[in-house]
Amino acid sequence: GQSLEQPSEVTAVEGAIVQINCTYQTSGFYGLSWYQQHDGGAPTFLSYNALDGLEETGRFSSFLSRSDSYGYLLLQELQMKDSASYFCAVRSGNTPLVFGKGTRLSVIA
Amino acid sequence: DAMVIQNPRYQVTQFGKPVTLSCSQTLNHNVMYWYQQKSSQAPKLLFHYYDKDFNNEADTPDNFQSRRPNTSFCFLDIRSPGLGDAAMYLCATSRESTNQPQHFGDGTRLSIL
Repeated sequence: GQSLEQPSEVTAVEGAIVQINCTYQTSGFYGLSWYQQHDGGAPTFLSYNALDGLEETGRFSSFLSRSDSYGYLLLQELQMKDSASYFCAVRSGNTPLVFGKGTRLSVIA
Repeated sequence: DAMVIQNPRYQVTQFGKPVTLSCSQTLNHNVMYWYQQKSSQAPKLLFHYYDKDFNNEADTPDNFQSRRPNTSFCFLDIRSPGLGDAAMYLCATSRESTNQPQHFGDGTRLSIL
């Protein structure tokens, strides 16, 4: 089986930095993915970590520690348009992708 | 440049009346997925095709079926929709099924009367 835990809600101020954590349990680990989904929109792929360490893509970074079964998504210089739900996801067994319950990020002025 | 296209965006059907949702892709990806997403929940995988190989999730109800007549198209058939099947249905594609980003369509929101 598998489980992913992430906070249900996070609020942060425009221009600030926010970190969204994700812990996982899965039988066989192939990597941790992050997706963004705006209300009424489709999930959009943000990042993928298969190895320990930090991956940076513009304002977004993603970190993985396989020994701790833990990762996080870091969003810098927050903008109002970053208000969305963020899902961590892993492969589990024969299921290509299982999503966490999602973290709803609200960016306030 | 829509790459994963779902039609229609909104679909209304009656309780028990079969309904088909469609998905097409211009990415030439090997894998196509169908997810169900209910309000404020995560997308839940129903099944996926790797080329013509069909892979059903263990907890996907028998009421849900899928067809993939060719690389570009995939259909979701709900044989006898119940009120609990009202949801957003998302189609996605990827080049391979492991370690590859999935590209999602905008979804079809299904309502049951």
